[in-house]
Amino acid sequence: DQQVKQNSPSLSVQEGRISILNCDYTNSMFDYFLWYKKYPAEGPTFLISISSIKDKNEDGRFTVFLNKSAKHLSLHIVPSQPGDSAVYFCAASANTGNQFYFGTGTSLTVIP
Amino acid sequence: DTGVSQNPRHKITKRGQNVTFRCDPISEHNRLYWYRQTLGQGPEFLTYFQNEAQLEKSRLLSDRFSAERPKGSFSTLEIQRTEQGDSAMYLCASSSPVRGPVGDTQYFGPGTRLTVL
Repeated sequence: DQQVKQNSPSLSVQEGRISILNCDYTNSMFDYFLWYKKYPAEGPTFLISISSIKDKNEDGRFTVFLNKSAKHLSLHIVPSQPGDSAVYFCAASANTGNQFYFGTGTSLTVIP
Repeated sequence: DTGVSQNPRHKITKRGQNVTFRCDPISEHNRLYWYRQTLGQGPEFLTYFQNEAQLEKSRLLSDRFSAERPKGSFSTLEIQRTEQGDSAMYLCASSSPVRGPVGDTQYFGPGTRLTVL
């Protein structure tokens, strides 16, 4: 029962263009959502988060959008850089301090 | 503060052996989590501590697995009688006692890669 889904296993984007990574969830109790970036042989690195009371959160080149009615969130990276090439995981939790549920990841390749 | 650390980074063992991993969270973080990640999957929750109390365990945590956090600081994860299916990356994360988004964010260590032959 995968409660968080990332249906695109991979994405390739030209340097300077926008990268859009998508994530869907099924549990309406989720109220906190995060994006993590992972390089090979390293642990996930926190990127950006959003709580369910907001529909958008921006941090530099990264913006996360939340559509609660559609149970969908997306991560926009503008402009994309080669150093952004990594696997991106979305995660969700239902209560403060509880476990996170992760998607299966999207591998982003930014082509110079 | 150098973040969450985990030791060892890699462990190769033979089936049936016991292994123990250690996690040192970010200091002042009172919550500590263990996850397991297999190839092509996202991290899967195993267990969670608040200070020294183990508050939640996943059904993935069979009776061969045990985790401790005796003094509310570092934690250990032991796997007894390892099986080939235990081969995975074991990740530790910690989070702050601060209420709100800061406290809700989990910060991960580099992981311990276990290979069971």
